[in-house]
Amino acid sequence: DAGVIQSPRHEVTEMGQEVTLRCKPISGHNSLFWYRQTMMRGLELLIYFNNNVPIDDSGMPEDRFSAKMPNASFSTLKIQPSEPRDSAVYFCASSLSAGTDYGYTFGSGTRLTVV
Amino acid sequence: DQQVKQNSPSLSVQEGRISILNCDYTNSMFDYFLWYKKYPAEGPTFLISISSIKDKNEDGRFTVFLNKSAKHLSLHIVPSQPGDSAVYFCAASRDYKYIFGTGTRLKVLA
Repeated sequence: DAGVIQSPRHEVTEMGQEVTLRCKPISGHNSLFWYRQTMMRGLELLIYFNNNVPIDDSGMPEDRFSAKMPNASFSTLKIQPSEPRDSAVYFCASSLSAGTDYGYTFGSGTRLTVV
Repeated sequence: DQQVKQNSPSLSVQEGRISILNCDYTNSMFDYFLWYKKYPAEGPTFLISISSIKDKNEDGRFTVFLNKSAKHLSLHIVPSQPGDSAVYFCAASRDYKYIFGTGTRLKVLA
């Protein structure tokens, strides 16, 4: 298995532009998570999907952020419009189950820079 | 409000010695704790975990200790190796949500 695949690996965009981050979870995993990593706050959970349905989006910072999971093998995180403070590394993770006995498998992340 | 805290942003240890990474949490309802390791340009990878019903879990060179009364857990690496140099995140969980700390960068000196 190729693991959790994220694209792009790096994204540099100008303030105000739309940014779309992509994630392909591990086949058979039914839970998907989007995290954001910053120096100040570490890894923050943005949104959690179970069986393609958003269960908890309380971590999504603002209405500028949206996430979708149209099928079991694909998810997107969109920021529109982007701002410099959105610069961070965004990780996608998937899991067999949302239960705590199962660890998450993380992708390699997308480093976003908004200038 | 940071529910999981790693107060040491960095730690340097000589090769062969013990590395001790610490983590504190505030929510007594957490029932599962994990440590993840992260190399540059890679995602975090699961290292070791412990349930709240235990106070110790060991896996090779890695041991996690849990002190529920103090709401504290620690990761011991013995002996430390240069390949252990990475950022270590602790995480606490109840139900599906893992709350991560801010990480500790470990540097093992050869």
